[in-house]
Amino acid sequence: KQEVTQIPAALSVPEGENLVLNCSFTDSAIYNLQWFRQDPGKGLTSLLLIQSSQREQTSGRLNASLDKSSGRSTLYIAASQPGDSATYLCAAANQAGTALIFGKGTTLSVSS
Amino acid sequence: DADVTQTPRNRITKTGKRIMLECSQTKGHDRMYWYRQDPGLGLQLIYYSFDVKDINKGEISDGYSVSRQAQAKFSLSLESAIPNQTALYFCATSDSRVPTGELFFGEGSRLTVL
Repeated sequence: KQEVTQIPAALSVPEGENLVLNCSFTDSAIYNLQWFRQDPGKGLTSLLLIQSSQREQTSGRLNASLDKSSGRSTLYIAASQPGDSATYLCAAANQAGTALIFGKGTTLSVSS
Repeated sequence: DADVTQTPRNRITKTGKRIMLECSQTKGHDRMYWYRQDPGLGLQLIYYSFDVKDINKGEISDGYSVSRQAQAKFSLSLESAIPNQTALYFCATSDSRVPTGELFFGEGSRLTVL
């Protein structure tokens, strides 16, 4: 059974710092891996999606990498801003693409 | 207007009551999902539907039922609500024609069972 773990559970950084959020998964037979952002009391916003055949995806200050062999994905945020404060969730899709298994999230706080 | 709309956004009910959460989408997607989120936990899949005639159980379907009334509408029912079903419920959609399998989420329905 796929298990997705995110470390750390919470992270506080000063504005301007570059940071890395980690996601690990136990079954490397995934269809894709997605990173989401969730603001308090809100729904999930898709940030980046990496197909199983890809190594990384970039969007603005965000870069996500995928290493299936080691069961790891990282989300790199450059030059963090207070507006980046939110919970970041990663989710691995099973190989059939029928279900996403979510990690518990990393809650990021960026102070000005 | 949101592409994926959930109603109600907030609901407080009592143990034993029947509750229905509704989801409608304007994205034209064929696949729809219901997830549950508990504080400090990730999202867990309750049910998913790949078309109107296709309904599948997820990780935690016990105590829940669903109805896919049309391609754009997917409802989640709690026949007899219990306190441990207090959670934030999310509807999501995806398009089987898009190889990436990206999911799009609604804003969530917060349910409290007293």
